[in-house]
Amino acid sequence: KNQVEQSPQSLIILEGKNCTLQCNYTVSPFSNLRWYKQDTGRGPVSLTIMTFSENTKSNGRYTATLDADTKQSSLHITASQLSDSASYICVVSGNSGGGADGLTFGKGTHLIIQP
Amino acid sequence: DVKVTQSSRYLVKRTGEKVFLECVQDMDHENMFWYRQDPGLGLRLIYFSYDVKMKEKGDIPEGYSVSREKKERFSLILESASTNQTSMYLCASSLYLGDQETQYFGPGTRLLVL
Repeated sequence: KNQVEQSPQSLIILEGKNCTLQCNYTVSPFSNLRWYKQDTGRGPVSLTIMTFSENTKSNGRYTATLDADTKQSSLHITASQLSDSASYICVVSGNSGGGADGLTFGKGTHLIIQP
Repeated sequence: DVKVTQSSRYLVKRTGEKVFLECVQDMDHENMFWYRQDPGLGLRLIYFSYDVKMKEKGDIPEGYSVSREKKERFSLILESASTNQTSMYLCASSLYLGDQETQYFGPGTRLLVL
């Protein structure tokens, strides 16, 4: 069964510090991996998308890495800001033929930035 | 910018009521999706639609139906609401079905069934 495991479940850090969120998956065949940010009470918003051949992608202070061999991804947040407080969801696509049911969602990491 | 709107941010209904959740997107996207999000479970796909009047079951379609009479609008229907359908409901849309396509989400509807 396709699975996406995220860790930690929740994380509290001080403003200005860096942090790294983890995503491990067993989705096969692998097509791409996305990180979404979901603010409290809002819908998820896409941060990055990486295919098999990409091992790093940045979006401002967010940098995602992908190791397709070990089936691991990380999202690194640099110089955290209060607005980074949100849930971060890892989504892996494993259906190379397309189709909504090819997406496997992680349960998310709840990040809190304290002033 | 893609805009996906949902008819209500918060909704309180009683057990047995028929509930309609509406979703509208303004970017002429072909595909629309309904998810529910519960603590500890993440997002789970209920139904999706790849064209007007077309629908496909997701992972948890039981207790739900959908309607897509117009391209921009996708409705989720709870025929007889039950307390276990208390959840956050998220609508999403995408231009194409495919691995490279990003889904754009609405703000969500938090439904409480008493």
